[in-house]
Amino acid sequence: GNSVTQMEGPVTLSEEAFLTINCTYTATGYPSLFWYVQYPGEGLQLLLKATKADDKGSNKGFEATYRKETTSFHLEKGSVQVSDSAVYFCALIDPYADKLIFGTGTRLQVFP
Amino acid sequence: DSGVTQTPKHLITATGQRVTLRCSPRSGDLSVYWYQQSLDQGLQFLIQYYNGEERAKGNILERFSAQQFPDLHSELNLSSLELGDSALYFCASSERLEGGSYNEQFFGPGTRLTVL
Repeated sequence: GNSVTQMEGPVTLSEEAFLTINCTYTATGYPSLFWYVQYPGEGLQLLLKATKADDKGSNKGFEATYRKETTSFHLEKGSVQVSDSAVYFCALIDPYADKLIFGTGTRLQVFP
Repeated sequence: DSGVTQTPKHLITATGQRVTLRCSPRSGDLSVYWYQQSLDQGLQFLIQYYNGEERAKGNILERFSAQQFPDLHSELNLSSLELGDSALYFCASSERLEGGSYNEQFFGPGTRLTVL
């Protein structure tokens, strides 16, 4: 079945460091891919998305590229801020059931 | 603000009780989804409704049920509650695109259920 695998956290970085959070997926066909972010005490917010191979989603300095050949959708940011501290979820949409399938989430902690 | 509202924000109840969680989707969205977020199971899809009809079912227990009303708001009913039902319950909504596929899902702030 469809699934998403994310790197274990927490990821701990200093402010202005480079961020990579790895995400790989298993799916039949070519699902749309998403990154959602959950700030402490809040709900999920869509961060970025990509709907087909080689698409690059970007928002708020974060980027992720849909790589069909490696079935990956890694999240990157060139310079993180303390305000980026949150839990990040990689997800795909199951086109047959129209449900989001989430990874386990990766907690990011950024220190000044 | 995603435009999806959920009430209540917090709910504390006892084992064996029944609760109802409410969700109002974004204006214009016909599709509503329910997800459960727990420490041991992560984020799991429960059920989807589209314009009042059930469309997809995930790992939803028989003790749980949902419905979507003509004004498009949805309710998730949880009965015979157990300690393990303690979790954050999210509602999401999306619009249906031409061709039958759906746009991205927008999430509400969630209802935190604590079963004592």
